[in-house]
Amino acid sequence: AQTVTQSQPEMSVQEAETVTLSCTYDTSENNYYLFWYKQPPSRQMILVIRQEAYKQQNATENRFSVNFQKAAKSFSLKISDSQLGDTAMYFCAFMKHEEYFNKFYFGSGTKLNVKP
Amino acid sequence: KAGVTQTPRYLIKTRGQQVTLSCSPISGHRSVSWYQQTPGQGLQFLFEYFSETQRNKGNFPGRFSGRQFSNSRSEMNVSTLELGDSALYLCASKGSGYNEQFFGPGTRLTVL
Repeated sequence: AQTVTQSQPEMSVQEAETVTLSCTYDTSENNYYLFWYKQPPSRQMILVIRQEAYKQQNATENRFSVNFQKAAKSFSLKISDSQLGDTAMYFCAFMKHEEYFNKFYFGSGTKLNVKP
Repeated sequence: KAGVTQTPRYLIKTRGQQVTLSCSPISGHRSVSWYQQTPGQGLQFLFEYFSETQRNKGNFPGRFSGRQFSNSRSEMNVSTLELGDSALYLCASKGSGYNEQFFGPGTRLTVL
């Protein structure tokens, strides 16, 4: 069974600094997808960044980037120049294609507090 | 395009009652998944519907059921509510051209 582990329940960072959120996963699959989702206090979950396992290049979306280590099964999220609006719960997710459907697995989340 | 919508946003029920939650996916999305989110357990997968068929189910008791209509709107029903059912219920839709899911704002269910 696939599992996704986020070992940091809560983190804090000063505004404008850089923070890295950790995520590890366990799978025997070779082809899969990884995601980071953000859930601000208003609760709407939005996609931050995605990574296809077959791509070696780390994904980047503006201030958000990932460090994808396939052999180590690690998928960390780096937030540069943190802003107050980055305060949220962050969920790491793993997705694989089953025969007839896609199956998603989520980590338990990391609560990020950006301090002014 | 309008996003995923969920109604109602808040619900308060008492033990033993039943509840129905509704989710309207993004237009054109045929896959709808439901999750239960609690502070201690994170996101727990309930089930997924695609073209009116349940094609994937999580590890929840039979009190939790769902269905999907021909317009891809989905409903989730919980019967004989228990205190432990208090949670945020999230709906997510997925289109064929995407690998990620798109989430709705959730329904906050409180069982007293």
